[in-house]
Amino acid sequence: DIQMTQSPSSLSASVRDRVTITCRASQSISDYLNWYQLKPGKAPKLLISAASSLHSGVPSRFSGSGSGTEFTLTIVNLQPEDFATYYCQQSFLIPPTFGGGTKVE
Amino acid sequence: QVQLVESGGGVVQPGRSLRLSCAASGFTFSSYGMHWVRQAPGKGLEWVAVMWSDGSNAYYADSVKGRFTISRDNDKNTLFLQMNSLRVEDTALYSCARAEDFGGNTLDYWGQGTRVTVSS
Repeated sequence: DIQMTQSPSSLSASVRDRVTITCRASQSISDYLNWYQLKPGKAPKLLISAASSLHSGVPSRFSGSGSGTEFTLTIVNLQPEDFATYYCQQSFLIPPTFGGGTKVE
Repeated sequence: QVQLVESGGGVVQPGRSLRLSCAASGFTFSSYGMHWVRQAPGKGLEWVAVMWSDGSNAYYADSVKGRFTISRDNDKNTLFLQMNSLRVEDTALYSCARAEDFGGNTLDYWGQGTRVTVSS
């Protein structure tokens, strides 16, 4: 299975901050990398697919980059509703695997 | 709009069975692959199973292979997860999610989940 490693596991930020989360794959996955946002009691949301494609309805302050084994999720101008846990996920091979999550608090 | 609503969770003893359902609406269910993903208390996301849009293929995580069965009824727009021989470590919030296409692994819409607790 492909191992996904996210860092950091948590970070402290303030409104209007710029936040960067990193995800590393144990082998090359091209751009088969997705980012999700999880909030307690709510359905998870797809933010970014194919490493850098913004999902419908996702604010442009979210962006993704990378290919191969190194990927980044960036949030600029952090808003109150962005405090959540973020997960990366590889969709290159079955089983799809997730990173360990990054809690933005 | 796309809606996925899970049901069927509850408290069950180890070794027993449970069947989860996921009612889909707002899209052509038969055109999309569907997944189950779980999150144990205090843990991260773990993929469980996928079934392709036409039911032709199903794949499972090693942790549930041989115990769980994913199925779907495209006439009733419903996805199922039959869970047998449940273990304490199967305790989690189970969510269904739609694949971006007939059998892909990008999950573009998710339900809120149904909670399963396995305890004696």
